[in-house]
Amino acid sequence: DARVTQTPRHKVTEMGQEVTMRCQPILGHNTVFWYRQTMMQGLELLAYFRNRAPLDDSGMPKDRFSAEMPDATLATLKIQPSEPRDSAVYFCASGLTGRSYGYTFGSGTRLTVV
Amino acid sequence: GESVGLHLPTLSVQEGDNSIINCAYSNSASDYFIWYKQESGKGPQFIIDIRSNMDKRQGQRVTVLLNKTVKHLSLQIAATQPGDSAVYFCAESSGYSTLTFGKGTMLLVSP
Repeated sequence: DARVTQTPRHKVTEMGQEVTMRCQPILGHNTVFWYRQTMMQGLELLAYFRNRAPLDDSGMPKDRFSAEMPDATLATLKIQPSEPRDSAVYFCASGLTGRSYGYTFGSGTRLTVV
Repeated sequence: GESVGLHLPTLSVQEGDNSIINCAYSNSASDYFIWYKQESGKGPQFIIDIRSNMDKRQGQRVTVLLNKTVKHLSLQIAATQPGDSAVYFCAESSGYSTLTFGKGTMLLVSP
């Protein structure tokens, strides 16, 4: 089965360190999302790309977060510097605009900032 | 702002019963709705979707009902099984834009 691959699965880092999370979308999908999940806020959209162009990153703290798609097979989410409040599970999802079956999510990166 | 919300945070049922999970949405422009299932330690998994030009769609053991008049969405699971225990999210979208998720409902199935 085609799947969205996220790395790393788990990351523990100290406050102030840089964190980079990676996502390999399903081949052929032209839409990529980054979501953050916490118990308090649920699933929050951080960034949204279509055909590698960023369409919406209004949910992302601009001073410390950045999202890019250097090519069609890789999306990255970077936090610099990381803070304890960034601790969450970060999900990447990909899809094909105009098609059914929603969007396919990866297994997530569980980030803990101490 | 626009939001998607759930009526019941936890639903407990017996194995074999039918389950109904409800969702209210507030964006009248939403034209696409999806139900996701999330098991512990995993990402949300697509269950079923429906477009606003429909009011009902059926899958394997699942049915989604859409009532645009009252902005209400429901997921019905027939003959609920222990493997159905998970958190269920509804999500809505308009014009192929981003998905907005509800807070989720936990379904607990007792054997």
